[in-house]
Amino acid sequence: GAVVSQHPSRVICKSGTSVKIECRSLDFQATTMFWYRQFPKQSLMLMATSNEGSKATYEQGVEKDKFLINHASLTLSTLTVTSAHPEDSSFYICSAWSQGAGYEQYFGPGTRLTVT
Amino acid sequence: GQNIDQPTEMTATEGAIVQINCTYQTSGFNGLFWYQQHAGEAPTFLSYNVLDGLEEKGRFSSFLSRSKGYSYLLLKELQMKDSASYLCAVRASRGDDKIIFGKGTRLHILP
Repeated sequence: GAVVSQHPSRVICKSGTSVKIECRSLDFQATTMFWYRQFPKQSLMLMATSNEGSKATYEQGVEKDKFLINHASLTLSTLTVTSAHPEDSSFYICSAWSQGAGYEQYFGPGTRLTVT
Repeated sequence: GQNIDQPTEMTATEGAIVQINCTYQTSGFNGLFWYQQHAGEAPTFLSYNVLDGLEEKGRFSSFLSRSKGYSYLLLKELQMKDSASYLCAVRASRGDDKIIFGKGTRLHILP
C-alpha cells in the first residue's frame, strides 16, 4: 500500500527555537496533506490542510504564524514549529490520500516533539 | 459544528466479542472510518462505511446507519494484541478531503 514517511521520528529542542518536521509520500503524489497533533491519551486533532502550491488552510484556534506549513512539491510537506514552548510538546502526525487507493488515508509514523 | 462521540474506555476478555459505538453530528457526511492506534504509533486503517449496513473484514466488522448518525465497530475473538485505542472519524464533505476524529476509545483486553 501507499507509504507516508516523517522525519525526524523524535526531536528534543529548547524553548524559543524552531523545529522543522518533514512529511513525504514515498510512492504516490499528494496534492493535499494533513497535519494532526495528538496529546497523551487524547485523539488526533486536525491542525491544518496542506495544499501543494498554495497556502495551507488552518483549523480554528491554530496559529498560522506559529505553525508554518510549506507544501513545495507533490511529495513533500513541512511543518515548522516556530519559537517552540513546552506546551508545544506533542505527537505530530501527517497524512495523505493516495489517488486511486479508494477511501483510505495513509498516516505517517509520527514525530514526537519535546520542548525543554 | 462537528461532534463525534464514543466511549472513553472499555474492557473485554480475551476470546470474547466487543462492540464500540460511535455517534456523530456533522455538517455533512461523506463516509465514516474506523482506525486502530497503539500507544506511540500512527493510526492504522480498519474500515470505511459510506452506505448503510454492515461491512465485514475478518474479525472486525463495522456498521453504519446514516439516518441515526450512528456506527459501531465489532471485534470478535478478541486477542491481547487488540488492546489499543479505536478512533471513529468522519469525512464531512465531498469537496473537502479532511476527516475529523472522535476522542477515541481505549480498549483493554483481559486474559
